[in-house]
Amino acid sequence: DTGVSQNPRHKITKRGQNVTFRCDPISEHNRLYWYRQTLGQGPEFLTYFQNEAQLEKSRLLSDRFSAERPKGSFSTLEIQRTEQGDSAMYLCASSQTAFYGYTFGSGTRLTVV
Amino acid sequence: TQLLEQSPQFLSIQEGENLTVYCNSSSVFSSLQWYRQEPGEGPVLLVTVVTGGEVKKLKRLTFQFGDARKDSSLHITAAQPGDTGLYLCAGETGNQFYFGTGTSLTVIP
Repeated sequence: DTGVSQNPRHKITKRGQNVTFRCDPISEHNRLYWYRQTLGQGPEFLTYFQNEAQLEKSRLLSDRFSAERPKGSFSTLEIQRTEQGDSAMYLCASSQTAFYGYTFGSGTRLTVV
Repeated sequence: TQLLEQSPQFLSIQEGENLTVYCNSSSVFSSLQWYRQEPGEGPVLLVTVVTGGEVKKLKRLTFQFGDARKDSSLHITAAQPGDTGLYLCAGETGNQFYFGTGTSLTVIP
């Protein structure tokens, strides 16, 4: 197992376009999290899955954001009608239980021009 | 609203110096973790502390969880350039961790 994998690593898109990111967690981890991080700040929670169920969703996640985790394996995060304020690093993390902490992927850096 | 405040926000020191980073909150956490993040990469877990007053050591790094489980500190002895990075504390409540504002450390050779 090579850890948490995120694709793409970088994405540049024009304002108004839709983008989709993918996260492949560690296979035995049933919890999967999405966070957003802007430069020099700590990650902000977006959403959390346990297996295929989306159990929590932050108020930061507007109607333009949607996340899925079909079959409890990989997850996708889609942003519709991107805005410049969406520019950030999008981090995915997985864990077996919260106590043991997260294993993060390397993130997807989104730039909206 | 940031549940966890870290101080200082930026720290630049010479190799060999000691430093302490603080993580404070008005909330009580079930556990608290420290992560280190390098530019362009995701955070990497350093330690988890669970019990109030707990002290854990990881080579030159010493982590302490406050007695009331609301705050924590990270002390680095004889800092090295390889310690450079963004240090993040994260407190567990419910099913997730809330991250602090981060401390950006630069160790100058």
